[in-house]
Amino acid sequence: EAGVTQFPSHSVIEKGQTVTLRCDPISGHDNLYWYRRVMGKEIKFLLHFVKESKQDESGMPNNRFLAERTGGTYSTLKVQPAELEDSGVYFCASSQEEEAETQYFGPGTRLLVL
Amino acid sequence: AQKVTQAQTEISVVEKEDVTLDCVYETRDTTYYLFWYKQPPSGELVFLIRRNSFDEQNEISGRYSWNFQKSTSSFNFTITASQVVDSAVYFCALASIQGAQKLVFGQGTRLTINP
Repeated sequence: EAGVTQFPSHSVIEKGQTVTLRCDPISGHDNLYWYRRVMGKEIKFLLHFVKESKQDESGMPNNRFLAERTGGTYSTLKVQPAELEDSGVYFCASSQEEEAETQYFGPGTRLLVL
Repeated sequence: AQKVTQAQTEISVVEKEDVTLDCVYETRDTTYYLFWYKQPPSGELVFLIRRNSFDEQNEISGRYSWNFQKSTSSFNFTITASQVVDSAVYFCALASIQGAQKLVFGQGTRLTINP
């Protein structure tokens, strides 16, 4: 069974540009989460989807970040316009409805904003 | 507020030594989950274990063991007879059982096992 996949693995952009990150959860997982690790700090929660609905977006830093999960399958996280402090590793995770608390993570997207 | 502290930023040991990674947490919840994840050089976070707060029984899985002490709010992880393949960053995390499922992570401990 394929795990959580994320694309791209790395992205280098200039300040002010737009970047879109994609996450494909494990097949059949209704729950999808985004986290990020900035500058070697803790991994921090961004938001949680249940199918296509946003269950909790309390961790989204500001309105430059937009997450979508149309159709309840893959999700995208867009940063527009990107700022220097957005650099970090963005992780996606997914979990089953029956065991929602156990989240399985992807390899992350390393974003560098210059 | 919930908080997880992994005071050991980096640990380096020689292969076959035993090593313990510390995790201390803070929460006002009476029921919660605790987790350990491993991040090898490839980057993904690999799930290792989940414990419920109402189950303080220690767990052993091969060379790995976990010591949950509710009285001291600790959930320590011991690797016995360490191997080079155990080299990774290890994260401890906490989540409420009720409501939000978001994980609160510690800063991670980078473990290096030297041959």
